[in-house]
Amino acid sequence: EPEVTQTPSHQVTQMGQEVILRCVPISNHLYFYWYRQILGQKVEFLVSFYNNEISEKSEIFDDQFSVERPDGSNFTLKIRSTKLEDSAMYFCASSRGSETQYFGPGTRLLVL
Amino acid sequence: AQSVTQPDIHITVSEGASLELRCNYSYGATPYLFWYVQSPGQGLQLLLKYFSGDTLVQGIKGFEAEFKRSQSSFNLRKPSVHWSDAAEYFCAVEALDFGNEKLTFGTGTRLTIIP
Repeated sequence: EPEVTQTPSHQVTQMGQEVILRCVPISNHLYFYWYRQILGQKVEFLVSFYNNEISEKSEIFDDQFSVERPDGSNFTLKIRSTKLEDSAMYFCASSRGSETQYFGPGTRLLVL
Repeated sequence: AQSVTQPDIHITVSEGASLELRCNYSYGATPYLFWYVQSPGQGLQLLLKYFSGDTLVQGIKGFEAEFKRSQSSFNLRKPSVHWSDAAEYFCAVEALDFGNEKLTFGTGTRLTIIP
């Protein structure tokens, strides 16, 4: 069964550094998403991406964040200058249409 | 904007007992409804979903959920839990607006199973 994959599984970075989180969505899916989950809290929507552009973003998704689909398979989330409060689990998800979203295993980001 | 309430933060049940996890949503129409499960350190696995039609939906691992429009609820049930069901369970809603496909999650219910 096709799965969403994410790399790396864990990332430790220094405050102020740039990080890129990578996702490979399910191959015939057209909608892509990033969510995050701060430890002990609920999963929060960050951004959705369709037809090579952002379709919606939350207030969390400020100018420090960007998303890109650099080729036909990858979907990336870049945090330009990480803050301590960016420490969280980041989940990528994809869907074929505006229906069921399938989630990847997540990338645990720790900002020191 | 849509919202989801899961009133039970933590539930403990005995193995073999029945289970019901509560979920209430707020949305102007009938949204798409989902239950996801998250095992420790793992990602989110879809248990089941409701889009339309039969209000009782069956999912994986023996779970089912019932959509009740009058109560704005989508409670998750299982007749007999197994130790492997211990996990965090999230209810989520998706609005039906094109271009607004984001999932809004509840705060989750942590399920503990005792022998």
